[in-house]
Amino acid sequence: SAVISQKPSRDICQRGTSLTIQCQVDSQVTMMFWYRQQPGQSLTLIATANQGSEATYESGFVIDKFPISRPNLTFSTLTVSNMSPEDSSIYLCSVAPGTLRLQETQYFGPGTRLLVL
Amino acid sequence: AQKITQTQPGMFVQEKEAVTLDCTYDTSDPSYGLFWYKQPSSGEMIFLIYQGSYDQQNATEGRYSLNFQKARKSANLVISASQLGDSAMYFCAMREGYQGGSEKLVFGKGTKLTVNP
Repeated sequence: SAVISQKPSRDICQRGTSLTIQCQVDSQVTMMFWYRQQPGQSLTLIATANQGSEATYESGFVIDKFPISRPNLTFSTLTVSNMSPEDSSIYLCSVAPGTLRLQETQYFGPGTRLLVL
Repeated sequence: AQKITQTQPGMFVQEKEAVTLDCTYDTSDPSYGLFWYKQPSSGEMIFLIYQGSYDQQNATEGRYSLNFQKARKSANLVISASQLGDSAMYFCAMREGYQGGSEKLVFGKGTKLTVNP
């Protein structure tokens, strides 16, 4: 398993500003994922972040809005840019410790609760 | 079409009784994995149990078991001897094999379980 921490745990932001969320893992992991969970909804994958390469974004998510960094095998950041109230969500970091074989369990961080006013 | 369908928005169960949470899935890939996660009100995602498409036996983990019916494409979670601490959102998720090149977990909309004393 992996122990994942996220900062901040929650924040209230004004529209038009940006927030950077940090994800730290206690061990080296190959793949890191960022998810969004809008209020009362399920989890939606924003992007997959591999160390040493550009993040791969899912349909509906763009790099200008959600830039991601992955400087090493234990750390990643997600920035939510030019925020609007529709960005109010829980943002979750997730990791797959191994090589993401079919049965590989993904572990999740505690999430960052974002409210945009 | 939805990949994962959870038809029960909410379920209620009496403490110490068993409860079944439904999950059906849609895939044409012969290789896939099915996961169940628990999300308490605090927001973290807790991995519960995994079932692979080629597994011959239903998965079990303590009080959790998975009723896997491959022909029906269902993977229902059974929680035995419910406890008050089981009250949470429960998400079913699937990872398909590599025929389609997908490595991501796709989540259902979730079921909110309430355990009554």
